[in-house]
Amino acid sequence: NAGVTQTPKFQVLKTGQSMTLQCAQDMNHNSMYWYRQDPGMGLRLIYYSASEGTTDKGEVPNGYNVSRLNKREFSLRLESAAPSQTSVYFCASSDEDIHFGDGTRLSIL
Amino acid sequence: AQSVTQPDIHITVSEGASLELRCNYSYGATPYLFWYVQSPGQGLQLLLKYFSGDTLVQGIKGFEAEFKRSQSSFNLRKPSVHWSDAAEYFCAVTSGGSYIPTFGRGTSLIVHP
Repeated sequence: NAGVTQTPKFQVLKTGQSMTLQCAQDMNHNSMYWYRQDPGMGLRLIYYSASEGTTDKGEVPNGYNVSRLNKREFSLRLESAAPSQTSVYFCASSDEDIHFGDGTRLSIL
Repeated sequence: AQSVTQPDIHITVSEGASLELRCNYSYGATPYLFWYVQSPGQGLQLLLKYFSGDTLVQGIKGFEAEFKRSQSSFNLRKPSVHWSDAAEYFCAVTSGGSYIPTFGRGTSLIVHP
């Protein structure tokens, strides 16, 4: 019973590089989310997808793009990474319960 | 817009003492309320949740929380804290479905031996 799976778990990038964080859920949830977690800031919503084919900006969307590839998958892309995007990224999905992935620890040098 | 306030950034307790972590929410509809715990370097683990019914809910690891609609609160309690409870605790609110979960900024629990 996998739940929400995020890859990779760790990544180090150089400023200006691009990368995509992958997220997949096997619970048939309509809603999926990307959060970033920084010390003292809690979890801040980057983007969300209320259903397949729709995406919307959250609190901190600048510098990110997302794709809801199908009902299972919701990816987050950094087109040109910046040091300010060093963070821990969590993907989540929900029906009534909120289910989290284990997170991706991303460092940008 | 919905919001969650955890007024205490840090709380320090002695091992064996009781604990109460505060959470206040602002939400127009009937809320679904959650408490999560995060140990250093780990993901978020669900402690307990409230959707409806009995306003006192029991969770894992000996935690409980009480929903008080009149006070818009959902405080987390534990009668006797263990050193392994040292972690970050997050309160969250949603209404399920496509409503966006909103999290508090977290309370860091420090446990003294």
